Amino acid sequence: AQKITQTQPGMFVQEKEAVTLDCTYDTSDQSYGLFWYKQPSSGEMIFLIYQGSYDEQNATEGRYSLNFQKARKSANLVISASQLGDSAMYFCAIATSGTYKYIFGTGTRLKVLA
Amino acid sequence: EAQVTQNPRYLITVTGKKLTVTCSQNMNHEYMSWYRQDPGLGLRQIYYSMNVEVTDKGDVPEGYKVSRKEKRNFPLILESPSPNQTSLYFCASSLQRTGYSTDTQYFGPGTRLTVL
Repeated sequence: AQKITQTQPGMFVQEKEAVTLDCTYDTSDQSYGLFWYKQPSSGEMIFLIYQGSYDEQNATEGRYSLNFQKARKSANLVISASQLGDSAMYFCAIATSGTYKYIFGTGTRLKVLA
Repeated sequence: EAQVTQNPRYLITVTGKKLTVTCSQNMNHEYMSWYRQDPGLGLRQIYYSMNVEVTDKGDVPEGYKVSRKEKRNFPLILESPSPNQTSLYFCASSLQRTGYSTDTQYFGPGTRLTVL
C-alpha cells in the first residue's frame, strides 16, 4: 500500500526567505507521480507541482521546486522568496501511474511572517 | 470558464436522511473523484471514476455511493448519513491518467456537510 508522510504539522518562515516542506513516501510501484497542492484559508485546493518517478530533473514551477530524491523516497517542496500569500496548508500526494488512486499526506500548515 | 462545480456548498442534515451532493465539470474530463477532508487526516479518496459507467472504490468508500451516467456529472450519494460522515467533501476531475503527463486534478470548491 502507498503512504505519504508529512512530518511537519506547522512551519513558520520569514517573508522573502525560502522554505522547505518535507514529504516522504512509501510505494512498491516503479512508476508513480508525486503532487503538491496548496489549500489557502478560503478552502480551495490548488495544484502546484508534479514530479514523475522517471523524471530525471527536479520539477520547477515559478517559485516552487520539488527536491526529488528517489532513493530516499522523498519529494520535498521548496518555496523560494516566500510571500504572505503563501500562508496556507500544503498537501503532498502520490498516485501510481495508470491509476486514478491518490493518497494524500496529512498536510503542513505554513505561516509566512511579515 | 473551466471549472468543477459542487452543490450544495453547505448542508446540515439529520442522521438517516438520504442526500446527494452533485458534482459537474465542463472540461470533458474522463476521470472524476470524490474526497473527504478531516482535520489531521488530510484528504482521503472515497470513490473515483475512470469514465462513464466505470467507478471504483477509494480508501474510504463505506457509507457512500456514486454513479457516472454522464461524463460531466459524478454525484455522491449518502443513503443513510451518520454523524461520522460530517466532513468537507471535494470533487475533482482530471483529463489524463496519472504519470503519463503533468496530470492535474481540478478540484471543486468543496461541500461542508454536517450530520446531526
